[in-house]
Amino acid sequence: DGGITQSPKYLFRKEGQNVTLSCEQNLNHDAMYWYRQDPGQGLRLIYYSQIVNDFQKGDIAEGYSVSREKKESFPLTVTSAQKNPTAFYLCASTLAFSGANVLTFGAGSRLTVL
Amino acid sequence: GDSVTQMEGPVTLSEEAFLTINCTYTATGYPSLFWYVQYPGEGLQLLLKATKADDKGSNKGFEATYRKETTSFHLEKGSVQVSDSAVYFCALSDRGSGNTPLVFGKGTRLSVIA
Repeated sequence: DGGITQSPKYLFRKEGQNVTLSCEQNLNHDAMYWYRQDPGQGLRLIYYSQIVNDFQKGDIAEGYSVSREKKESFPLTVTSAQKNPTAFYLCASTLAFSGANVLTFGAGSRLTVL
Repeated sequence: GDSVTQMEGPVTLSEEAFLTINCTYTATGYPSLFWYVQYPGEGLQLLLKATKADDKGSNKGFEATYRKETTSFHLEKGSVQVSDSAVYFCALSDRGSGNTPLVFGKGTRLSVIA
């Protein structure tokens, strides 16, 4: 079955460490997104990518980095510059970059800073 | 900029009660409107959508009507079940502003008790 796989599901990080969250899709979707979810704040867009080798900052990109070397993969790195990284991270994709397209989400990765 | 405002939760209902979750929006163009649902420990999934004024989206007994005159897209269900307990997100895509990522509301948590 097609879908989005995020890994790991749970991740613990010490302060000062970079960590990378994986997102892989086999839906042949062009556009991919990373959202951060915090209690009471809904979903906030971190980065998105319309096509391979291209990506744009979302509303809260500071302290994060991404790459899009392959169509099916869009990893997110949480750097030590992100001051409050503990959150639930959601990856999503759409067939094409159009707001009318329906987002398909992964199951999420929960990052906790110790 | 574009924005979505949802009623704050949590909302607690008894089984078979009527549900309304209010959603209003602000957009500069002609948005498509969506409701997504997030079950515990999972990513989001599309519940229903509407792409133009007076359209009604429906799925699994849930309904929402796109009301341009009141800039609203309220979610309703006539008889909720325990299995409907989840977080519900209203979202918009403003096609009039070009292709832009979805803007989400903060989410409303629904708990249904037997």
